[in-house]
Amino acid sequence: DTAVSQTPKYLVTQMGNDKSIKCEQNLGHDTMYWYKQDSKKFLKIMFSYNNKELIINETVPNRFSPKSPDKAHLNLHINSLELGDSAVYFCASSQVLGGAGGITYNEQFFGPGTRLTVL
Amino acid sequence: AQSVTQLDSHVSVSEGTPVLLRCNYSSSYSPSLFWYVQHPNKGLQLLLKYTSAATLVKGINGFEAEFKKSETSFHLTKPSAHMSDAAEYFCVVSDTPLGRLYFGRGTQLTVWP
Repeated sequence: DTAVSQTPKYLVTQMGNDKSIKCEQNLGHDTMYWYKQDSKKFLKIMFSYNNKELIINETVPNRFSPKSPDKAHLNLHINSLELGDSAVYFCASSQVLGGAGGITYNEQFFGPGTRLTVL
Repeated sequence: AQSVTQLDSHVSVSEGTPVLLRCNYSSSYSPSLFWYVQHPNKGLQLLLKYTSAATLVKGINGFEAEFKKSETSFHLTKPSAHMSDAAEYFCVVSDTPLGRLYFGRGTQLTVWP
């Protein structure tokens, strides 16, 4: 069974369209994330949800709207797509755990990515 | 603030020779540090993680990394490179407890036969 899955894997669309990417995790984690990887392979966080609550909201155009219907799902809806939105979008999930000395750490599991191409 | 600097954007080695991928970090907290690997057109896979239990961390596929607080470094090594190690490697620091990961720019590892 795939731990973190995303659909679709590839998405090709025209400028101005609205599209959604779906993410599901079956790991029982309480936190999910969306990352964007640009053409130079730089990865940057966009959003994070913990137990369906938004906890990280980076400087992202408000055309991007995440939605978490439950702990296992985090979807990303993009309105009015622009050329610059072309990228690979990764979903991830994690469970914050305790470590030695009381320090928490955060191992994130990533989905396979969705390659979005805006024409 | 948290940040990561990967000192080499490209590293080329011959198969069977050692691999060294360098990473320096800065963190306002006691950091959690990770190395992830991304093979072409694939997702990210966790290689290893540092969580303060031990400064020398062993990961999958023979990789290991040493946390050096005095040098703020977390370099990734492997004694003998294999062709299948060719990939992009990311050094990552975690902003606990929110869980935000800060990625380095990546190091492309090429392995020559």
